[in-house]
Amino acid sequence: EVQLVESGGVVVQPGGSLRLSCAASGFTFDDYAMHWVRQAPGKGLEWVSLISWDGGSTYYADSVKGRFTISRDNSKNSLYLQMNSLRAEDTALYYCAKDMVAVAGTLGAFDIWGQGTMVTVSS
Amino acid sequence: AIRMTQSPSSLSASTGDRVTITCRASQGISSYLAWYQQKPGKAPKLLIYAASTLQSGVPSRFSGSGSGTDFTLTISCLQSEDFATYYCQQYYSYPPAFGQGTKLEIK
Repeated sequence: EVQLVESGGVVVQPGGSLRLSCAASGFTFDDYAMHWVRQAPGKGLEWVSLISWDGGSTYYADSVKGRFTISRDNSKNSLYLQMNSLRAEDTALYYCAKDMVAVAGTLGAFDIWGQGTMVTVSS
Repeated sequence: AIRMTQSPSSLSASTGDRVTITCRASQGISSYLAWYQQKPGKAPKLLIYAASTLQSGVPSRFSGSGSGTDFTLTISCLQSEDFATYYCQQYYSYPPAFGQGTKLEIK
């Protein structure tokens, strides 16, 4: 079964740090780019970050650039999001998602999503 | 950055109705558009990609059309399980961007 399972979401104080993980199974993980997408409570979807299949290219939303770092370990079929200098506005459910295109440098739709992990930034 | 605008933001309809949701891109995106369905407490689900290609397993009552800047998602005969929030997304260029969502509610 194709599956993504996120973990690591907790309550953290403003200015704090956190690392989210996403475990992939059921597909050839290192063939595909991977994304993080977040959804604040009661709000819409916001793309956060992308990493290429080999980790060689990364992209970030302006709202997180310089504070968040995406990475992957293909030997462990795992995706990560290191989140530093957290702000209240980072409070959201964080999803990892698989890009459906297996071509380096080309964006595709997001065909597989995890169930999300909740990050709450509050004092 | 390309901005995606959906209309309407919410919509009331009855089972059996035909409904259409519109998505407009702030600049041309060819056919690099996807539609997602999200039910409360669940992750988004890909319905349509490349503006009009139905994802595997998605019922044929869903259809998409458009290219350039204007796109539509049509549900031909609403079923009870279709009441959800729908998002469009462009993947033509970075950053990939979602519309604000259209909540489809039971009338």
